[in-house]
Amino acid sequence: GQQLNQSPQSMFIQEGEDVSMNCTSSSIFNTWLWYKQDPGEGPVLLIALYKAGELTSNGRLTAQFGITRKDSFLNISASIPSDVGIYFCAGGTSYGKLTFGQGTILTVHP
Amino acid sequence: EAQVTQNPRYLITVTGKKLTVTCSQNMNHEYMSWYRQDPGLGLRQIYYSMNVEVTDKGDVPEGYKVSRKEKRNFPLILESPSPNQTSLYFCASSPPSSPLHFGNGTRLTVT
Repeated sequence: GQQLNQSPQSMFIQEGEDVSMNCTSSSIFNTWLWYKQDPGEGPVLLIALYKAGELTSNGRLTAQFGITRKDSFLNISASIPSDVGIYFCAGGTSYGKLTFGQGTILTVHP
Repeated sequence: EAQVTQNPRYLITVTGKKLTVTCSQNMNHEYMSWYRQDPGLGLRQIYYSMNVEVTDKGDVPEGYKVSRKEKRNFPLILESPSPNQTSLYFCASSPPSSPLHFGNGTRLTVT
């Protein structure tokens, strides 16, 4: 099946630093989604991307849908302690099929 | 409040003892899906349903069953659980072609 490679697997940063993570695939996707999972909870949608080349921001978060349709990145600016969690990318093709990356564990040191 | 509700949140059971994890959504979503989350593997789809009485296999369906008799409910059934099904399970739902809403998860341990 399709696979996504998400990197890095984990990050340990200082509060105030910027963060960047990305997902790549050998397959083309029609949508890219970024989710965040807090401890003990389900993933929550951060940003949805629907068009190749699209750049979308949500507060301190910025994500882009790669022009080749095979990759996406998420940036977090000026990190704060509540940014801690696991971040997942997901690529969508036909209706009902989402493939998730392995996740990036983010730790923010005050 | 719009939500996806899973029960139970935690479950410890023994090998071979049938169990059901329930999932209910109050948003009238057509699409529902089950995922399992394992360290280093992300979220892998088990089964999904595009509407009532329509279900299909995801990437890791072996050892699981589902049913979709009503729009709001999508239970996950393990007829004979095994230790390799120890995992964190998530139910999710969405309208057509829209991002998923996830439940808060069910942590299952099979001994």
